[in-house]
Amino acid sequence: QVQLVESGGGVVQPGRSLRISCAASGFTFRSYGMHWVRQAPGKGLEWVAVIWYDGSNKYYADSVKGRFTISRDNSKNTLYLQMNSLRAEDTAVFYCARDYCTNGVCYVNGMDVWGQGTTVTVSS
Amino acid sequence: EIVLTQSPGTLSLSPGERATLSCRASQSVSSSYLAWYQQKPGQAPRLLIYGASSRATGIPDRFSGSGSGTDFTLTISRLEPEDFAVYYCQQYGGSRYTFGQGTKLEIK
Repeated sequence: QVQLVESGGGVVQPGRSLRISCAASGFTFRSYGMHWVRQAPGKGLEWVAVIWYDGSNKYYADSVKGRFTISRDNSKNTLYLQMNSLRAEDTAVFYCARDYCTNGVCYVNGMDVWGQGTTVTVSS
Repeated sequence: EIVLTQSPGTLSLSPGERATLSCRASQSVSSSYLAWYQQKPGQAPRLLIYGASSRATGIPDRFSGSGSGTDFTLTISRLEPEDFAVYYCQQYGGSRYTFGQGTKLEIK
């Protein structure tokens, strides 16, 4: 079945780095754009970044631009988020999500498959 | 950046009633670029509506979306017990995506 599984979360000190991953299965990963979305404890959803199906385009929320890098390895069906200079306000559950393509239109329809999330806690 | 404001913050209704959730944008949003999600505690969000009014795969027809410009609505025609959750609207614009702050739909 179509599945996304995040991993790599944990507790990290402010200013340090962490890379989280998302393993995809059950669909042709290389054909889809992918997103990272986060949710701080007790708060709403915040979009973090998107990467085109082939990695040719990447866009970021202003809150993480210059600190976070989204990437993918289509040979491994895996999405990554490299997070540098972490701050307390980055503490959240991080979800990877598949971009929803319909009728050949992508990147505007939302996200149709989500992982269960991985928790990142930034604390000294 | 387009800001989405959802109202009400909390909506208290009973099963069988009709729910109307609002999402207002700070500037005009293409109808094609507005989506709605449902999130239950401890779970990932689920896509309900895309393109402002199209139901995603497997979504019951009691869920419907409407609106254009800056005002969008999610309607649940007859609430089922499993519909009580938090609902988010989301838009795409300028290579960025933003979510509303959410509406909690709770059992009265």
